[in-house]
Amino acid sequence: AQSVSQHNHHVILSEAASLELGCNYSYGGTVNLFWYVQYPGQHLQLLLKYFSGDPLVKGIKGFEAEFIKSKFSFNLRKPSVQWSDTAEYFCAVNARRNFNKFYFGSGTKLNVKP
Amino acid sequence: DGGITQSPKYLFRKEGQNVTLSCEQNLNHDAMYWYRQDPGQGLRLIYYSQIVNDFQKGDIAEGYSVSREKKESFPLTVTSAQKNPTAFYLCASSLHPGTVANYGYTFGSGTRLTVV
Repeated sequence: AQSVSQHNHHVILSEAASLELGCNYSYGGTVNLFWYVQYPGQHLQLLLKYFSGDPLVKGIKGFEAEFIKSKFSFNLRKPSVQWSDTAEYFCAVNARRNFNKFYFGSGTKLNVKP
Repeated sequence: DGGITQSPKYLFRKEGQNVTLSCEQNLNHDAMYWYRQDPGQGLRLIYYSQIVNDFQKGDIAEGYSVSREKKESFPLTVTSAQKNPTAFYLCASSLHPGTVANYGYTFGSGTRLTVV
């Protein structure tokens, strides 16, 4: 069965610190990869996605993620976090041969201290 | 503003009772989905519907039922057969079934169900 692992459940950083959130998935076929973000009191929204091409994808608000196929990973990064980045972040994987099924990680709560 | 409305935000149910969670969208999206979120776990797919009058089981459909009589509405019934119904339920939609991988989902704000 497919699965998505986010190993960091809770991350606390100071403003201007660099961020890297891990995401690993288990699926041998071709996948689409996503990061979703949920700010306090708001809906889940798409942060960035990878389908093909350049494995380094850039999303909104200065976030980027790198797909490393050999490691089955899609880690999220930001060079310098802000207090407004406090949110919960979810990694998701979609198998291309079954576009209706997404598999989500358990989420990482990020607290940025001002 | 277009979006997905889930109601109620909080719901309490006695054991043995069925309860229906509402999900309405005014985005003219064809596809709609129900996910369940438990603490420390990712979202898990319960049911999805690609078009009106059609729906498919997801990974954890047991104890749940849905209907899709109108494009805008995809209610979820949590039946008494669901052994552990206390959870956070999220409804989502996408323009077409095939575009969910291109554009992702639009999510509702969720309903927190507690069985007492």
